[in-house]
Amino acid sequence: KAGVTQTPRYLIKTRGQQVTLSCSPISGHRSVSWYQQTPGQGLQFLFEYFSETQRNKGNFPGRFSGRQFSNSRSEMNVSTLELGDSALYLCASSRDRVGTDTQYFGPGTRLTVL
Amino acid sequence: SQQGEEDPQALSIQEGENATMNCSYKTSINNLQWYRQNSGRGLVHLILIRSNEREKHSGRLRVTLDTSKKSSSLLITASRAADTASYFCATGNTGGFKTIFGAGTRLFVKA
Repeated sequence: KAGVTQTPRYLIKTRGQQVTLSCSPISGHRSVSWYQQTPGQGLQFLFEYFSETQRNKGNFPGRFSGRQFSNSRSEMNVSTLELGDSALYLCASSRDRVGTDTQYFGPGTRLTVL
Repeated sequence: SQQGEEDPQALSIQEGENATMNCSYKTSINNLQWYRQNSGRGLVHLILIRSNEREKHSGRLRVTLDTSKKSSSLLITASRAADTASYFCATGNTGGFKTIFGAGTRLFVKA
């Protein structure tokens, strides 16, 4: 079974730009969650999508948004990038709702904002 | 604030020794998971232990859970240089669909 894939793996953007990250979950998994990882804040939960609906959201500004498609693939968008958005963005998939089952993580997208 | 707090923050041992990491949490949980992360990469799931379980094994890994103390430990026996990584605990909380990660323990195994 193929694992969770994330594209692109690396991104360099400048302040004010927007970015879209993509995540393909493991086949059959309906939940996709996104996390931001930085050295200072650790792993922070962004949001969870389940059956194409955002079910949970972490404490992030509205510049961070996402969506999930009918095939469970998910995209995350960050608008008006700030320097502090530089981070490793991880997505994870699970069969059921986050927190109830094992999450499988992708390799991450390393975003650098200049 | 983080729910899971790992202890110690960093651990350095010799190959062949055992490594023990602890995790404490604050609220009621459905399950607790341990993950490993090699530098700058994605997290690899190690073990999930449910709130009604006390101990679980997987290869060289042993996880215990004490819900009365709200704590868990991860024991890696006969460690290898390849075990060098950061280890995170994550709690699946009751009353809401969330997984909250701790800050992690950095393990360094010297060959």
